[in-house]
Amino acid sequence: KNEVEQSPQNLTAQEGEFITINCSYSVGISALHWLQQHPGGGIVSLFMLSSGKKKHGRLIATINIQEKHSSLHITASHPRDSAVYICAVNDMRFGAGTRLTVKP
Amino acid sequence: SAVISQKPSRDICQRGTSLTIQCQVDSQVTMMFWYRQQPGQSLTLIATANQGSEATYESGFVIDKFPISRPNLTFSTLTVSNMSPEDSSIYLCSAQRGSYNEQFFGPGTRLTVL
Repeated sequence: KNEVEQSPQNLTAQEGEFITINCSYSVGISALHWLQQHPGGGIVSLFMLSSGKKKHGRLIATINIQEKHSSLHITASHPRDSAVYICAVNDMRFGAGTRLTVKP
Repeated sequence: SAVISQKPSRDICQRGTSLTIQCQVDSQVTMMFWYRQQPGQSLTLIATANQGSEATYESGFVIDKFPISRPNLTFSTLTVSNMSPEDSSIYLCSAQRGSYNEQFFGPGTRLTVL
């Protein structure tokens, strides 16, 4: 079993839909990261969380330390949100990623 | 934030040769890391580049295959030695700074080994 599990693996949505990507982990953590990888391979760090909730524009990340679970939400999704979203914990143990495709 | 650049951005190499990838950060950082992402796979940590000392390698990765240098707090190199087609991957450099573990990623180097 992987230390970091993400779901779903693939997600297709219509523009404007509310998106949720989930991440569960099995180890104690000091921090959890949500990353966005564009088709060209470049990675952008979206959030770093150790508790609670963070919001940046249309993106919201939450974490429940007791349940060892985090979610990434995208409100009013747009085709430019199409990317792979990766959850990572501690010294960057990565989930397999969620491939999001937002259709116009 | 920190801006990370990598050179080359991509390369096509012959098997048996070696390629050195450079990672430059625009500010001093505490930790630097090298990752590999094989086709269709998630990122895997190769090693932590330690300034002024030998890199710390993850299980399955060895110094002879992936020698790493970090001569100062803003620069690191990863060499992929004696390459084979199985080394075809995206290689990513990242850096961590401060007590809040801010993590920044380079744009990646796409390597194809023929």
